[in-house]
Amino acid sequence: DQQVKQNSPSLSVQEGRISILNCDYTNSMFDYFLWYKKYPAEGPTFLISISSIKDKNEDGRFTVFLNKSAKHLSLHIVPSQPGDSAVYFCAGRGAQKLVFGQGTRLTINP
Amino acid sequence: GAGVSQSPRYKVAKRGQDVALRCDPISGHVSLFWYQQALGQGPEFLTYFQNEAQLDKSGLPSDRFFAERPEGSVSTLKIQRTQQEDSAVYLCASSLMGQWRDTQYFGPGTRLTVL
Repeated sequence: DQQVKQNSPSLSVQEGRISILNCDYTNSMFDYFLWYKKYPAEGPTFLISISSIKDKNEDGRFTVFLNKSAKHLSLHIVPSQPGDSAVYFCAGRGAQKLVFGQGTRLTINP
Repeated sequence: GAGVSQSPRYKVAKRGQDVALRCDPISGHVSLFWYQQALGQGPEFLTYFQNEAQLDKSGLPSDRFFAERPEGSVSTLKIQRTQQEDSAVYLCASSLMGQWRDTQYFGPGTRLTVL
């Protein structure tokens, strides 16, 4: 039972453009959603989160949108920079656990 | 200060061998988590400690997996009689307070390959 799904394994975006990463979930009990970024040979690092009672949270170039009726969240990165090339995981928090999606590999092309 | 460290970074084991994976959390962090990340997948929760108490071990896949944190700092994940399906990256994370809502800081992981 995949409670958190990232249906796009990879995404390629030109430098300076907007990157949009998507995530769907099935568990209505999640109270927070988080995005983590992972570089090769490193552990995931926390990027941004959103409470389930909000629909938007912004932090610099990063904005997360939550659509509860569609059980969908997205991470917008604008403008995209070469250092944003990494694997991005979304996660839902509920019942004292973090449940991660499969990840999306983002490549920013110069 | 130093982040979460894990050792060894890579481990190759023959099927049936026992392995021990170590995690050094950020100094002073109360909570410690272990995750298993299979190839092409996201991390999956294994177990959670608050200080030395193991509060949740519901994610451990079998009784061959055992974790401990005897002094509330360093933790060891032990896998007995390793199987090929145990091949994965094992991630450790720590957080400052004993709350799930706190940010979890991850180590680089130990890549375990079982031949």
